Amino acid sequence: DAGITQSPRHKVTETGTPVTLRCHQTENHRYMYWYRQDPGHGLRLIHYSYGVKDTDKGEVSDGYSVSRSKTEDFLLTLESATSSQTSVYFCAISDGLEYNEQFFGPGTRLTVL
Amino acid sequence: AQSVTQPDIHITVSEGASLELRCNYSYGATPYLFWYVQSPGQGLQLLLKYFSGDTLVQGIKGFEAEFKRSQSSFNLRKPSVHWSDAAEYFCAVPELDTQGGKLIFGQGTELSVKP
Repeated sequence: DAGITQSPRHKVTETGTPVTLRCHQTENHRYMYWYRQDPGHGLRLIHYSYGVKDTDKGEVSDGYSVSRSKTEDFLLTLESATSSQTSVYFCAISDGLEYNEQFFGPGTRLTVL
Repeated sequence: AQSVTQPDIHITVSEGASLELRCNYSYGATPYLFWYVQSPGQGLQLLLKYFSGDTLVQGIKGFEAEFKRSQSSFNLRKPSVHWSDAAEYFCAVPELDTQGGKLIFGQGTELSVKP
């Protein structure tokens, strides 16, 4: 299994508070991704990174920011959490070689009250 | 633009019965195709992938998929389903001509298994 961890695995927070989710990899892969998964919507890409300090928006980036200061860590921040951001968040990594094959972390379940 | 369609949102099969999950794609070149499985409460795990060559691809857990260019399909099959196969299944293709190594996922098919 690819070495990907996510922390925390579960979080409950209140509307308006900032939240940071962490993705950590031990594979030295270049690409990292944050997705959210909601019933009826499948997986939706929030942000991705194609190298240290190189990030870009996905299809549902509003209300989220990311940072990647080291190859192994990709942080997702909700500046001011809203109830619509209650979701399961997945991190994924790819070395970009095998036609974008991605490996996924175990997920973080976030509840915003 | 590339796209992936999984026509079935939810499928129920009896344990021991055969299974086929449908995936249709739209792709501007020779497609590269993936099937992932997500067990309840887990992340996605790669089941199998097609890049080129033999159109029948074997994967983990007894799954296989057949690439049919004429039908733009990459259907997932298993001859005898086990209760542990209950999960959500996603088909995916790479997003071409963009940076970032992105995948385009279908909406997923949820599989329920009856005893």
